[in-house]
Amino acid sequence: DAGVTQSPTHLIKTRGQQVTLRCSPISGHKSVSWYQQVLGQGPQFIFQYYEKEERGRGNFPDRFSARQFPNYSSELNVNALLLGDSALYLCASSFVVKQDTEAFFGQGTRLTVV
Amino acid sequence: EDQVTQSPEALRLQEGESSSLNCSYTVSGLRGLFWYRQDPGKGPEFLFTLYSAGEEKEKERLKATLTKKESFLHITAPKPEDSATYLCAVQATSGTYKYIFGTGTRLKVLA
Repeated sequence: DAGVTQSPTHLIKTRGQQVTLRCSPISGHKSVSWYQQVLGQGPQFIFQYYEKEERGRGNFPDRFSARQFPNYSSELNVNALLLGDSALYLCASSFVVKQDTEAFFGQGTRLTVV
Repeated sequence: EDQVTQSPEALRLQEGESSSLNCSYTVSGLRGLFWYRQDPGKGPEFLFTLYSAGEEKEKERLKATLTKKESFLHITAPKPEDSATYLCAVQATSGTYKYIFGTGTRLKVLA
């Protein structure tokens, strides 16, 4: 079975540009979350979506936005890129949003802002 | 503020030399504690979920335990292929079902 798939795997952008990252969850999973992982740090929560509705937002500026589609795939958009946005962006999927449900992560998108 | 602290930051072991990784947490209420393994440049790979103090789970050479303030990941007779960063995360009862991660322990097992 396919796991969580993210695209693209690597991306290089210039400061001020906009970027869209994509995520397809595990088949049957209805919740998608996005995390940012800076080198040497643990992942930081950005957004959580369930059944196409935003269920949580982390401490990130409004330049970050996301959405979930009817097929449960998701996009993360970042506008006006800064050098500090360079990181590994991780998507995690889970069946539902509740306590006893593990999240499974994709391989991530490595974003480099120059 | 909900917080997760992992120690040590890095650990070098000889093959077969058992050790433990620590994850201390401060949360208003604990929904669950999760252990993940992460290889360089890859996404975290799920290992264990623990929900209540006293709970233990095992998988091959790994055993995770949970108390009211911390969790341990015990590695018995490690092999070089166990080399990775081990991440601990908690879900708090307040707010969303987000994961709050520690910074991880980088484990290197030498042959």
